[in-house]
Amino acid sequence: DAGVIQSPRHEVTEMGQEVTLRCKPISGHDYLFWYRQTMMRGLELLIYFNNNVPIDDSGMPEDRFSAKMPNASFSTLKIQPSEPRDSAVYFCASSLNSARITGHEQYFGPGTRLTVT
Amino acid sequence: AQSVTQLGSHVSVSEGALVLLRCNYSSSVPPYLFWYVQYPNQGLQLLLKYTSAATLVKGINGFEAEFKKSETSFHLTKPSAHMSDAAEYFCAVKKTSYDKVIFGPGTSLSVIP
Repeated sequence: DAGVIQSPRHEVTEMGQEVTLRCKPISGHDYLFWYRQTMMRGLELLIYFNNNVPIDDSGMPEDRFSAKMPNASFSTLKIQPSEPRDSAVYFCASSLNSARITGHEQYFGPGTRLTVT
Repeated sequence: AQSVTQLGSHVSVSEGALVLLRCNYSSSVPPYLFWYVQYPNQGLQLLLKYTSAATLVKGINGFEAEFKKSETSFHLTKPSAHMSDAAEYFCAVKKTSYDKVIFGPGTSLSVIP
């Protein structure tokens, strides 16, 4: 398996522009998570999905952020309009939550490093 | 509410010395517990996990952790540090299979030659 795939790996954009981050989870996983990591705030959970349905978006910082999961193999995180304080590394992770599987560990993608100037 | 504390945001050890990274959690029930490692410019990857099967858990790269309910701790150890162990280490807790994972703030491990 290729693991969790994220694109782009790096994104540099100007303030006010729309940014779309993409994620392909591991095939068969039923949970998908979006995290943001910064030096100041550490690792923050933004939103997570179960079977393509958003379960908890309480970590989404404000209305400028939105996430979708149109099918089991694809998710996007969109920032519109972007601001310099959105600069961070954004991680996507997936997991399998099955009664047959204990632990439910998450598998992380390599991240997208976003820089907003 | 669940929480995770990691004592020491930065730990330095000499190559060949014992590695001890501390993790304490708060949970009303025996939780799932995890240690993840993050190498520079990479995502997090699982080192080991506790799921109530055995209190001493062995992971990859020679790491192990012991679940101590009385101390609500899940400290990570390795007998002999290698230069390649330099990374950020995160402890995480999950109360039930349906709860979200709560990550600690992380401990940065440096290994001195």
